[in-house]
Amino acid sequence: AQTVTQSQPEMSVQEAETVTLSCTYDTSESNYYLFWYKQPPSRQMILVIRQEAYKQQNATENRFSVNFQKAAKSFSLKISDSQLGDTAMYFCAFPAGGGKLIFGQGTELSVKP
Amino acid sequence: DTGVSQDPRHKITKRGQNVTFRCDPISEHNRLYWYRQTLGQGPEFLTYFQNEAQLEKSRLLSDRFSAERPKGSFSTLEIQRTEQGDSAMYLCASGQDGGKPQHFGDGTRLSIL
Repeated sequence: AQTVTQSQPEMSVQEAETVTLSCTYDTSESNYYLFWYKQPPSRQMILVIRQEAYKQQNATENRFSVNFQKAAKSFSLKISDSQLGDTAMYFCAFPAGGGKLIFGQGTELSVKP
Repeated sequence: DTGVSQDPRHKITKRGQNVTFRCDPISEHNRLYWYRQTLGQGPEFLTYFQNEAQLEKSRLLSDRFSAERPKGSFSTLEIQRTEQGDSAMYLCASGQDGGKPQHFGDGTRLSIL
């Protein structure tokens, strides 16, 4: 069975600092995608970044980047220059059959001024 | 792109009552997904449609739950004889095949009295 594990239930970071959120997954597939989603308090879940497994280059979106280690099945999210608006739940997600997403348990990130 | 919309945003009902939620996906998306999210957890897959066909149902979807997507447009999720354990956020997402990310609605928060 495909699983996604986020081992950090809560994290905090000072504004302007860098923080890394961890995610590991398990799959027998060789070609797949991985996603990080952000869910601010009482707000909509939005996509942060996407990684294609067949690409060796780590994805980057402005202040957000990933460290994708395919052999280790690890997919961590780095947020640089953290901003107060980054405060949210962050979910790592893996699309299984039919595209349905399997989510990790989430990491609650607090950015402190 | 008007986004995914869900109605209502909040629903409070007494145990044993029936409730129905609606989801309007992004018009060009052929796939529509329903998830359930309890407090502090990641969303869990319930069911998905490709166009008007319901292709998969999770074991979480008991006989009291039914979903439809007539004409491959909007979708409804009905819960009959609600129970306390049904209290959760119900999320709808739409997407396309090929590894493209899903877009989520704001969700419907269900509270059972």
